[in-house]
Amino acid sequence: DTGVSQDPRHKITKRGQNVTFRCDPISEHNRLYWYRQTLGQGPEFLTYFQNEAQLEKSRLLSDRFSAERPKGSFSTLEIQRTEQGDSAMYLCASSSEVNTEAFFGQGTRLTVV
Amino acid sequence: QKEVEQDPGPLSVPEGAIVSLNCTYSNSAFQYFMWYRQYSRKGPELLMYTYSSGNKEDGRFTAQVDKSSKYISLFIRDSQPSDSATYLCAIKAAGNKLTFGGGTRVLVKP
Repeated sequence: DTGVSQDPRHKITKRGQNVTFRCDPISEHNRLYWYRQTLGQGPEFLTYFQNEAQLEKSRLLSDRFSAERPKGSFSTLEIQRTEQGDSAMYLCASSSEVNTEAFFGQGTRLTVV
Repeated sequence: QKEVEQDPGPLSVPEGAIVSLNCTYSNSAFQYFMWYRQYSRKGPELLMYTYSSGNKEDGRFTAQVDKSSKYISLFIRDSQPSDSATYLCAIKAAGNKLTFGGGTRVLVKP
């Protein structure tokens, strides 16, 4: 597998439920990013990791959101007590070094009903 | 004012025409410039990456950067219906996150 992999591709959940998404970056990429994209908008930054360290979090990442990257490999993004406003595409990207290009996965589309 | 501005379109062109896309940005610390193509309900696909002023060509695609004007462009030659998509510019400062424009929707008509 040579690309960024995200799972699941689609998730429908009821308001108030917790959801968790997984991202597997390109092998040996040490930088991993999470973005959120709503219809008709560009991706908005949520957070990023260098290896296992979470270096920056956006103000968009409320206390209901948490991201982890144990052992600097795959990452998970959890949303607790989902709200209808959380409905969006959640994108993961990775890059090999600080200032190289970033490659995106196919995203996880979340619908909160 | 957003850090990266991009006309949302839609931009409609006939097949074979040149597609011209652009973004403006406000932060002079931005040094790395990328263009992505995104089909509906898919993840962004990297098209071009550059970090210097001037032109970079790859097949039918040419990326142009003018750091003095804080203006970047993407040109698509000999456009095809399969080029119909949303095009996103993404810019970053050294060691920092990518900041995206809102995307321009392009429609290439056969």
